[in-house]
Amino acid sequence: EAGVTQFPSHSVIEKGQTVTLRCDPISGHDNLYWYRRVMGKEIKFLLHFVKESKQDESGMPNNRFLAERTGGTYSTLKVQPAELEDSGVYFCASSQSQGSTIYFGEGSWLTVV
Amino acid sequence: GNSVTQMEGPVTLSEEAFLTINCTYTATGYPSLFWYVQYPGEGLQLLLKATKADDKGSNKGFEATYRKETTSFHLEKGSVQVSDSAVYFCALIRSNDYKLSFGAGTTVTVRA
Repeated sequence: EAGVTQFPSHSVIEKGQTVTLRCDPISGHDNLYWYRRVMGKEIKFLLHFVKESKQDESGMPNNRFLAERTGGTYSTLKVQPAELEDSGVYFCASSQSQGSTIYFGEGSWLTVV
Repeated sequence: GNSVTQMEGPVTLSEEAFLTINCTYTATGYPSLFWYVQYPGEGLQLLLKATKADDKGSNKGFEATYRKETTSFHLEKGSVQVSDSAVYFCALIRSNDYKLSFGAGTTVTVRA
């Protein structure tokens, strides 16, 4: 069974450009999460989907970040326009239900120059 | 709110040395506790977990015991290998919650 997959694995963009990160959760997992780790600090929660609905987006840093999960399958996280402080690793994760084991993807490494 | 504090790295060890990474937490109620590991070039993997006080999680020779009296979940391994070189993250999740709270991560390098 495939795990959580993320694309792209690495991205280097200029300040002011747009980047879209994609996450495919484990098949059948209704819960999808985005986290990020910037500058070697702790990994922080960004938001949580249940199917196609945003349950909690309290961790989204500002309105330059937009997450979608149309159809309740894969999710995208768009950063527009990107700033230098957005550099870091963006992790996607999924779980079958709330309280069950959360599985992480390999992360999308974003560098804004 | 919830918080996790883990020892700062980096930690450099020789093969077969004993490894301890300290982790303490602050949380209301009875959280579940986790250690995640990120090997070079790979994603986050669940290493072990414990869901109630005095539980011991273990995997790949690593162990951690949920100590409610000291609010700690220290990670230990008796004899490390080069392949244990990775970043280790302590984390917690409150019961009936879905958000993981992570520590800052500890980079461990094991030299042959």
